[in-house]
Amino acid sequence: DTGVSQDPRHKITKRGQNVTFRCDPISEHNRLYWYRQTLGQGPEFLTYFQNEAQLEKSRLLSDRFSAERPKGSFSTLEIQRTEQGDSAMYLCASSSHRDRGATEAFFGQGTRLTVV
Amino acid sequence: AQTVTQSQPEMSVQEAETVTLSCTYDTSESNYYLFWYKQPPSRQMILVIRQEAYKQQNATENRFSVNFQKAAKSFSLKISDSQLGDTAMYFCAFETSYDKVIFGPGTSLSVIP
Repeated sequence: DTGVSQDPRHKITKRGQNVTFRCDPISEHNRLYWYRQTLGQGPEFLTYFQNEAQLEKSRLLSDRFSAERPKGSFSTLEIQRTEQGDSAMYLCASSSHRDRGATEAFFGQGTRLTVV
Repeated sequence: AQTVTQSQPEMSVQEAETVTLSCTYDTSESNYYLFWYKQPPSRQMILVIRQEAYKQQNATENRFSVNFQKAAKSFSLKISDSQLGDTAMYFCAFETSYDKVIFGPGTSLSVIP
């Protein structure tokens, strides 16, 4: 297993276009997170899944953002009608969540989105 | 709602010296997990150290150790014998067994040769 994989690594798009990012978690991990990070800031929570169920979506997230995790494996994050304010690094992380015990999140290298 | 605060946006330390990064958090839960993550420039986030709230003993990983003060809701990271490769953003993070991982705003650490 090569860890958490994100595709693409970089995306430049024109304002108003739709974009979709993919995340492949570590295979045995049941949790998958999406975060957004701007330069010099901490990861901002967007949404997360346990298996195929989306457990929470940030209330700060507009309806232009949607995420799926069909079959509890890979996940996609789609941004519709992109705006310049969407420019950021989008991070995916996965973990093997248990009811007890600290669960380390493993991160991908991120997808850097630039909206022009 | 849980929150994580890191009051030091930037810090610097001389190579081989010791530095302590601060983190405080707010929660009403009694059982939770705390983490420090490191994000080197243009590289991905990796775990440095973790602490389970029900364990009184402070976690240690080689040159990295924590000072966990549960009553004060404080979780500081001490880096001993700082190395140039320790230059990175450091994020404090918090998780409960039934909720998501949340991160603090980060501390940018520079190790000066």
